[in-house]
Amino acid sequence: SQQGEEDPQALSIQEGENATMNCSYKTSINNLQWYRQNSGRGLVHLILIRSNEREKHSGRLRVTLDTSKKSSSLLITASRAADTASYFCATALASGSRLTFGEGTQLTVNP
Amino acid sequence: DAGITQSPRHKVTETGTPVTLRCHQTENHRYMYWYRQDPGHGLRLIHYSYGVKDTDKGEVSDGYSVSRSKTEDFLLTLESATSSQTSVYFCAIRGAANEKLFFGSGTQLSVL
Repeated sequence: SQQGEEDPQALSIQEGENATMNCSYKTSINNLQWYRQNSGRGLVHLILIRSNEREKHSGRLRVTLDTSKKSSSLLITASRAADTASYFCATALASGSRLTFGEGTQLTVNP
Repeated sequence: DAGITQSPRHKVTETGTPVTLRCHQTENHRYMYWYRQDPGHGLRLIHYSYGVKDTDKGEVSDGYSVSRSKTEDFLLTLESATSSQTSVYFCAIRGAANEKLFFGSGTQLSVL
């Protein structure tokens, strides 16, 4: 079964609102990454957080990691219609090891 | 897409025929990966390569083989395609000093 599982599977919000997506995983990890996929395109890396970090920011993105709960969240603030995409978390058991992806959250931002 | 080209972009084939998908990179990255993406399963790793002629299996490798004779090319072969292999296939690359993946645009494969 997948190491990472996203929640919710789908999320629909209005422009300007914040979007929060969650990822849970089962075993200890070295790092967790978030990717975005626009329809019909490949995945694009957004942000990486290591197991010894609790929070990271990149522009309008905020990622948290709680290793005791084996969970992470991705917050997109002040969402835009262009943020409409699928978002995936991926976990690495060791530095440089292969990634295991979750099933993704489909985010729709309505204008 | 970070110097990655997948070919073909779309392919329709019949059950039992061999199919080869190609991934070409211009980044000189050491690691290359093949994933398949299916509704309800996210991305699943098929095979990966950690150098020329060095490959290993992923979680869904049955029915697939790979080859990497040059740094820039990673081929995925379905020896005898089945309908269950209808999927979108993504190639990804990673540099040795980097931990994030760069993805190609994908190949939509339909096996009828």
